[in-house]
Amino acid sequence: GIQVEQSPPDLILQEGANSTLRCNFSDSVNNLQWFHQNPWGQLINLFYIPSGTKQNGRLSATTVATERYSLLYISSSQTTDSGVYFCAGGETSYDKVIFGPGTSLSVIP
Amino acid sequence: DAGVTQSPTHLIKTRGQQVTLRCSPKSGHDTVSWYQQALGQGPQFIFQYYEEEERQRGNFPDRFSGHQFPNYSSELNVNALLLGDSALYLCASSLLRQGVFHEQYFGPGTRLTVT
Repeated sequence: GIQVEQSPPDLILQEGANSTLRCNFSDSVNNLQWFHQNPWGQLINLFYIPSGTKQNGRLSATTVATERYSLLYISSSQTTDSGVYFCAGGETSYDKVIFGPGTSLSVIP
Repeated sequence: DAGVTQSPTHLIKTRGQQVTLRCSPKSGHDTVSWYQQALGQGPQFIFQYYEEEERQRGNFPDRFSGHQFPNYSSELNVNALLLGDSALYLCASSLLRQGVFHEQYFGPGTRLTVT
């Protein structure tokens, strides 16, 4: 079945620091997404990135599909970046999307 | 452009009761998926609806059922509520066009508390 793993489980950063979050996924995963869940529970789309590299402001993501991993980079972190970051993937259009366990990020002033 | 909406926002029910949660997908989307998120965990897939049919189902008992209407909105029903059903219930919508996957967008969730 589909497996999605994330590391590290927890991360504490000083405001302004950079960080890299990692997602490893099983062979069957094709459609990888990154989400940020804010303290109020809202899941916000960050990237849909089955392969390659994308950037959006201070965030960027890279997926190396052949090696079954994806990285999320956060630069110049801000306190508003706090929350839980999830990667999630599915096999086909109809398949259930499986979430990783998440990385809990706390950015302190 | 309206995003995914869910109602109600919060709900408190008693063990053994039944509950119905509602979801309206993002404009232009035709597929709705439901997830259960327990405190401190990632969302767990319940089921997905497309063309008013359940297409995929996760490891949830038959007490969890759903429906999709012709306007693509959806309901999640849970019967015989257990204390363990207390969670944040998330709805996500996406567009399935010619078998090509499009990313999912999530609603704000319904927080269900079973006492």
